[in-house]
Amino acid sequence: AQSVTQLGSHVSVSEGALVLLRCNYSSSVPPYLFWYVQYPNQGLQLLLKYTTGATLVKGINGFEAEFKKSETSFHLTKPSAHMSDAAEYFCACSTQGGSEKLVFGKGTKLTVNP
Amino acid sequence: AAGVIQSPRHLIKEKRETATLKCYPIPRHDTVYWYQQGPGQDPQFLISFYEKMQSDKGSIPDRFSAQQFSDYHSELNMSSLELGDSALYFCASSPYLAEQYFGPGTRLTVT
Repeated sequence: AQSVTQLGSHVSVSEGALVLLRCNYSSSVPPYLFWYVQYPNQGLQLLLKYTTGATLVKGINGFEAEFKKSETSFHLTKPSAHMSDAAEYFCACSTQGGSEKLVFGKGTKLTVNP
Repeated sequence: AAGVIQSPRHLIKEKRETATLKCYPIPRHDTVYWYQQGPGQDPQFLISFYEKMQSDKGSIPDRFSAQQFSDYHSELNMSSLELGDSALYFCASSPYLAEQYFGPGTRLTVT
């Protein structure tokens, strides 16, 4: 069985500061990992994904994440936060590139202060 | 670019009533997934279909059923609604062995 743990249900940063959202996974087989963003009353938008190959993946809106097998982590970062980044972020995993069900973490709500 | 379409976007029903949610996947996507997101919760997988056949089943109550039709759209039927069924229901679609794209969701309120 797979599971995803997101450390910190709420993260608050100042505009222009580094964004770091933490995600750890547990999987008995090589996982495929995703970050989704959800704005209020909207659907889930894919930010980035890791399937195989390069462990540092770049996504939309300046976000990137690094797959670290030894640490079973897939933390999401952005060098400089923007007010428009305020949203809820979900880390998710599956076992076949997304064609199997996604298992989500509990989500991290990001607040960006002016 | 075409996105996943869900209808209706909002639905209000009373306890013990029935609801039908519809999902129209992105063209040429052959796999459809349904997720339920309760208030302040993470999305939970309900059921999925690949080429019109059920491919996986999660924590879907027996009161719920779903199917995928020949045009690949899918419907989630919910009967004997309970207050606890109030949630955001997402449909996602994907090409085979690729990432899932989510629709905007249907917000179901059971009163």
